[in-house]
This record gives sequence, C-alpha cells and structure tokens, in this order.
Amino acid sequence: LAKTTQPISMDSYEGQEVNITCSHNNIATNDYITWYQQFPSQGPRFIIQGYKTKVTNEVASLFIPADRKSSTLSLPRVSLSDTAVYYCLVGDSTGGFKTIFGAGTRLFVKA
Amino acid sequence: DTEVTQTPKHLVMGMTNKKSLKCEQHMGHRAMYWYKQKAKKPPELMFVYSYEKLSINESVPSRFSPECPNSSLLNLHLHALQPEDSALYLCASSQESGGDQETQYFGPGTRLLVL
Repeated sequence: LAKTTQPISMDSYEGQEVNITCSHNNIATNDYITWYQQFPSQGPRFIIQGYKTKVTNEVASLFIPADRKSSTLSLPRVSLSDTAVYYCLVGDSTGGFKTIFGAGTRLFVKA
Repeated sequence: DTEVTQTPKHLVMGMTNKKSLKCEQHMGHRAMYWYKQKAKKPPELMFVYSYEKLSINESVPSRFSPECPNSSLLNLHLHALQPEDSALYLCASSQESGGDQETQYFGPGTRLLVL
C-alpha cells in the first residue's frame, strides 16, 4: 500500500487560499488520490478525488503532477468553518476495499 | 438520502458487558465498513462487508464481532472489552464493488467508553 505523508498542522487566516501537500512516492499505476475532511466528533467527509492533472469541484481543487508522487489540495478563501483535519488517501490498486488513512493535517483557520 | 446513521451516539460499558453498535444506510450501497478512531489519530479500518459477506478483517480481536443482517444494516457486537478499546467507532458505506476510487460515506460515529 502506498504510504502518504502530510504536514501535521497548518495555520491560516480567513479569506486566504490554503494548499496542503501530500507525498505518496510509492503510488501505483492504478491508484487514485482521495481527500477527506473531518470535524471533531464527526465522521470524515469526502472532499475530492483525482488520478492525474487537475480536478476541481465546488469545494476544492486537487493538483497532481505528472509523476503522481505528490498531490496538493487547494482550498480557496478559507473560513473559520474550514478548521478541520484533512486526510490524503491513496487507494490499494490490488483491489478490494482497504482504506488506509494517513496521519492527516490539522488546519486551523484564524479570524 | 446520503446519510449513514449510527446508534447509539454514546455508550458506556463495563468490561463484562455485552453491547451492540448499529449502523444503517439507505443509499443502496453494497459495501459497509467499521473503523475505530482514537483521539487525535486517523480512523483505522476494522472490518469490511461486501454484498453482506465479510471480506476484510484487519486482525481485530474476537471481542469485536461484526454482523451484516442485510444490505442496509451493519452491527458491531461488543463483549468483554478492555479500557483501551474506548474510542470513536465509525461506520461507512460505499456504492458497489469497492475499489480505491469509491467514495465512502461515513456516519457520525459512536463514542464508546469502557470502564
């Protein structure tokens, strides 16, 4: 399984763009990259998923370079409510249902 | 309806008790999961059911016993737990055949305290 490495924590201010980078050097050819958000005492919530290049939805953008050994979650104009833990996951291309969460990045947005 | 519900929200039990956690989804998903999450740690996969059959057991102690009575329900039976089993237990579901690209929908969790 590809292991992921993320910064332990990040601070930001309201209205700023936040970029969280995840390293996954051993990503396999068929693996997708998925990001989840988790608030305290709640279950994780899907944010975005991608395979290569750039993916954008109403919440975030995901940038994946050509070698796919890293990815960057971009949150535009964060607000206080974006304070949460963000997890980067790389799938198990051998198939099945295994989901291995990395340590996650604690984002703290200040006023 | 994109909701996964879990009951109870909180549970306190002694080490000799038997209790059950329940999870329900009505999205027609055929894969369901149990995770354990300790404070300030990521969720850890415990069990996966696919089409009501246990497909993954991540070497979980036998004091945790999962059950999938039908495609919408998932139970976790607890017996003779230890204080170190205190954690947030999360249930999730995904659409069909699994695979890393499937989005998992998580419930709010059951916070368990073992005394």
